[in-house]
Amino acid sequence: DVQLVQSGPEVKEPGESLQISCKGSGYTFSSYWIGWVRRMPERGLEWMGVIYPAYSDARYRPSFRGQVTISADRSINTAHLQWRSLKASDTAIYYCVRLLGGSPEGPIDLWGQGTVVIVSS
Amino acid sequence: IVLTQSPGTLSLSPGESASLSCRASQRIISGYLAWHQLKPGQAPRLLIYETSRRDTGIPDRFNGSGSETDFTLTITRLEPDDFAVYYCQQYGSSITFGGGTKVEI
Repeated sequence: DVQLVQSGPEVKEPGESLQISCKGSGYTFSSYWIGWVRRMPERGLEWMGVIYPAYSDARYRPSFRGQVTISADRSINTAHLQWRSLKASDTAIYYCVRLLGGSPEGPIDLWGQGTVVIVSS
Repeated sequence: IVLTQSPGTLSLSPGESASLSCRASQRIISGYLAWHQLKPGQAPRLLIYETSRRDTGIPDRFNGSGSETDFTLTITRLEPDDFAVYYCQQYGSSITFGGGTKVEI
């Protein structure tokens, strides 16, 4: 099956670091752009950024640049989303997605199941 | 590009039809607009891309239409499994999403 499987829920305190992961299977992972989408109750879906695993070419939406780091390890077909210092406002569901069409701007054709991140003291 | 979806919530019964609107703040090039379905506890799924192309396995009850700045997702003969939240996504200029429409029973 073609799928993206994400790591499990996380509960962290403000100031802590965190890395969540997204493993692709059933297709050539390195050949598709992988993106991250944030879902918050009052803000809907927000595009965060994208990476091309073959070259680790990462691009960020301006509002997320410097706030998170997107990386990929093509040897294990996995992409990561990392925070150095979490804030309460990072509480959300994070989805990894695959983009169709070989472009960093394409339709999302595959979603992970989402990772719940809760940041609270 | 800002996408505005309406209505926010649609209350319908199984068997009825749903019409969901997605309006863009500027023209979306090449009709690069997609629709996604989100249900609790499940991975979201792509329904429609490039305005009207159904993804593999999507039933023909789901139809996308529109151009320029006005796009519509029509769901005919609603089934219980169709009650969900629907988001439009444009990919003609970076990527942005609409605010979502909840289709409820």
